[in-house]
Amino acid sequence: AQSVTQLDSQVPVFEEAPVELRCNYSSSVSVYLFWYVQYPNQGLQLLLKYLSGSTLVKGINGFEAEFNKSQTSFHLRKPSVHISDTAEYFCAVRAGGGNKLTFGTGTQLKVEL
Amino acid sequence: EAGVTQSPTHLIKTRGQQATLRCSPISGHTSVYWYQQALGLGLQFLLWYDEGEERNRGNFPPRFSGRQFPNYSSELNVNALELEDSALYLCASSPGPFNEQFFGPGTRLTVL
Repeated sequence: AQSVTQLDSQVPVFEEAPVELRCNYSSSVSVYLFWYVQYPNQGLQLLLKYLSGSTLVKGINGFEAEFNKSQTSFHLRKPSVHISDTAEYFCAVRAGGGNKLTFGTGTQLKVEL
Repeated sequence: EAGVTQSPTHLIKTRGQQATLRCSPISGHTSVYWYQQALGLGLQFLLWYDEGEERNRGNFPPRFSGRQFPNYSSELNVNALELEDSALYLCASSPGPFNEQFFGPGTRLTVL
């Protein structure tokens, strides 16, 4: 079975500052990793995904994440945030060969002026 | 291309009643997934349907059930509603079992 830990439930940051949202996973098999964003009263939108290949993955809206197998991490980063990035961010894992997504508990990113 | 659609947007029921939630996948997608997003519990996998069959279910009691129709749309039924069933129910679809999942906007179920 897989599990995902998002240690930070809330991350406040000022506009134009950099941000990192942390995600750690555990799995006994190879995994695929995802970051989703959820804006208020909306469903989930895929930000980026790691399936294989380069460990640095670039996504939409200027976000990127780095897969670190030795540390079982997949942290999400953005060099300069905007007010519109205020949302909840979910890290998810899917076992290779499986299709069930296991989500972390989410991190609320609040961008302030 | 239309995305995943869900109806109704909001649903209010009382304890003991039954709720029916509906999901229309993206055209051409055969797999439909249901997730529950309850306050404090995060997103949890409920059910997966593919080609009309239930393929997998999460750790939920049997009163959570559903089906997938020949046009690949899906229904989630929750019987004997309990207060803790109040949540946002998200539906996702994918072109096949092991492809990227696209999420709908969700149905917010409130049990009074």
